[in-house]
Amino acid sequence: QTVVTQEPSISVSPGGTVTLTCGLSSGSVSASHYPSWYQQTPGQAPRTLIYSTKTRASGVPDRFSGSILGNKAALTITGAQSEDESHYYCVLYMSRDIYVFGSGTWVTV
Amino acid sequence: QVHLVESGGGVVQPGTSLRLSCSASQFSFSSYGMHWVRQAPGKGLEWLAFIWYDGSNTHYAESVKGRFTISRDNSKNTLFLQMNNLRAGDTSVYYCARADTTHLDYWGQGTLVTVSS
Repeated sequence: QTVVTQEPSISVSPGGTVTLTCGLSSGSVSASHYPSWYQQTPGQAPRTLIYSTKTRASGVPDRFSGSILGNKAALTITGAQSEDESHYYCVLYMSRDIYVFGSGTWVTV
Repeated sequence: QVHLVESGGGVVQPGTSLRLSCSASQFSFSSYGMHWVRQAPGKGLEWLAFIWYDGSNTHYAESVKGRFTISRDNSKNTLFLQMNNLRAGDTSVYYCARADTTHLDYWGQGTLVTVSS
C-alpha cells in the first residue's frame, strides 16, 4: 500500500521561510505524480494552493511556491504570515486515476 | 464561481446504507470529472473515489472498494456516493471536489456522516 509522508508539524516565525515536504514510503516523487497542495484551516473545507508541482491556483499569494526537492515534492512559504497557520496536505497522482493524500502537516506561525 | 453543495449526511446505524449527493452549479458539470474525499474527526483527508466526466469510468481507494459506489447524473448536475454496510470507521465529513486534469480544484463544504448504534 502506498503511503505518502509529510512532517506532522512545523513551526515558523512570522516573516520567516518554511519548507514542507511530501514523500513516498517506497520510491521517489517526481513531476509525473503531479503533486498538488491543499490548505485547510480547522472547521473549513480544503483550499487548493498548488498543482502540477509548482502552478499556483487562482488567488493564491506568491509567497507559496511548489517544487521537487531531491526525491520529494515541496511546498515553501516565504514570508510566512499569521493567517498561514493551518494544515497542509499534499496529494499525489498514482496513475490510473488513483490519488493518495499525505498525512498532513500542521504549520504554526 | 464554482459551487458545490453536499447533502445526505446524518446519523446512521452500523450495517446500513446511505447515499450522499453533491449538487454542482456555475460550471459545465458534464465536462468535468469529480472526486469524493472524506475526513474523520481530528484526522487527515482521505481520497475515496473518482468518476470521469461522462460517468464511463470510476476508480476507488482500496479502503472503500466494493462498499462505496460513485455515480453522477449529468442531466441534474449531481454527483452521488452510495455507501453500503457502513461501519463506525466511516464516520467522517464527506467532501465532493471538482477534478481539473490531475488535481482537485474546487471543493464543497462537506456533509457529516456519523455511524453509530
